[in-house]
Order: sequence, then C-alpha cells, then structure tokens
Amino acid sequence: AQTVTQSQPEMSVQEAETVTLSCTYDTSESDYYLFWYKQPPSRQMILVIRQEAYKQQNATENRFSVNFQKAAKSFSLKISDSQLGDAAMYFCAYRSRLPSGGSNYKLTFGKGTLLTVNP
Amino acid sequence: GAGVSQSPRYKVAKRGQDVALRCDPISGHVSLFWYQQALGQGPEFLTYFQNEAQLDKSGLPSDRFFAERPEGSVSTLKIQRTQQEDSAVYLCASSLGGGFRAHYGYTFGSGTRLTVV
Repeated sequence: AQTVTQSQPEMSVQEAETVTLSCTYDTSESDYYLFWYKQPPSRQMILVIRQEAYKQQNATENRFSVNFQKAAKSFSLKISDSQLGDAAMYFCAYRSRLPSGGSNYKLTFGKGTLLTVNP
Repeated sequence: GAGVSQSPRYKVAKRGQDVALRCDPISGHVSLFWYQQALGQGPEFLTYFQNEAQLDKSGLPSDRFFAERPEGSVSTLKIQRTQQEDSAVYLCASSLGGGFRAHYGYTFGSGTRLTVV
C-alpha cells in the first residue's frame, strides 16, 4: 500500500523568507501523481501544486516549487518570499489506485505540517 | 454554484443518533469523493461516485456508514448509530473529469465537523 510521510509536524518561517516542507512516499508504481494541498482554518483543501512522476522537470507555481527526487521517493515543497497568508496546514498527497481498479483513484494524504509565518 | 457546498458546517450528535451530511458539488462535475479527517490527521478516503454510480466504497469504516448520489449531483453521507470515534471533519470533493482524470481539477468543500457526545 502506498504511504505518505511528513516528518515535520510544525514549521515556522519569517515573512519574506523561504521555507521547505518535506514529504516522502512509498510506492511500487512507476507512473503516478503527487500533490501539495493547503488547508487554512476554513478547512477547505486548496491545491498548491501538482507533479507528474513521468516529468523530470520540477513543477513551479509562482512562489511555490517542488524538489521531486523520484529515486529517493522524496517530494518537498519550497515556499519563497513567505507571506502571512501562507500560514496553514500543508498536506502532501499521492494519487493511488482504488481497490475497485480500472481508472479509479483516490488521494492518500500525509499527516500534515502546520506552517506558521511570523511577521 | 461556484464551489462545493457542504451542510451543515457543524453538527453535534448524541451517541446512537443518526446523522446525514450533504454535499452539493460544482454543477456538471462527474466525480464526487468523500473523505474523513480526524483531528490532527490528513483526510482519509471513504467513497467515490462517478455520476450516480458508487464505484468504490472501500474506505467506509463500517456498515453504519452509507452514501448515495441518486441523481448524479447532490450526495448525502449518512451515519447510523453514531459513535464517539465518528467525530471528525467530513470533506467532500468534486471533479469535472472521471476516472484517471478526476484528480486534474479536484475542488474540496469546507467540510462538516461532526462531534459525537
């Protein structure tokens, strides 16, 4: 079974600085998708960035970028120029196939990292 | 609507009571997922619908949990004889695509926080 591990329960960063959140995963698949989601106090999960495993180039979305190391099964999120609005829980997720098979998938999430941004 | 709407936002139930949680997905979205998020944990998959068909319910923790989406739009998650361990946030997500395309654009609702006392 696929597992996702986030080893940092909490992280903090100064406003305008850079922070990196870690994620490792376990899989026997060769083609898969990885995601970072942000969950503010409103509870709505918001997609931050997505990485397709077959793409060697690391995904980037404005101030957010990933360091995808396929061989090491590592998928870290870098937030540059941190802003107060970045404060939230961040979840790493892996798209895994459902028992029903076919083209049915689910997201398997890590336990999350609580990011605090200090002014 | 513009987003995925879930109601109620908060629900307090006495142990043994039945509850029904509603999810109103984005209009036209084919895929609908339910996830359970216990305190301090990441969301865990419960069940998946493609239109009105429940294609996977492998994550439902017991036969007290039941979900339906009879017309392929609104979905209801029902929990019978609630127990304290059912206390969690229940998140619904919908996506325009089905199957492997479902995760390209996955929109979550703000969830229902269920507290069983």
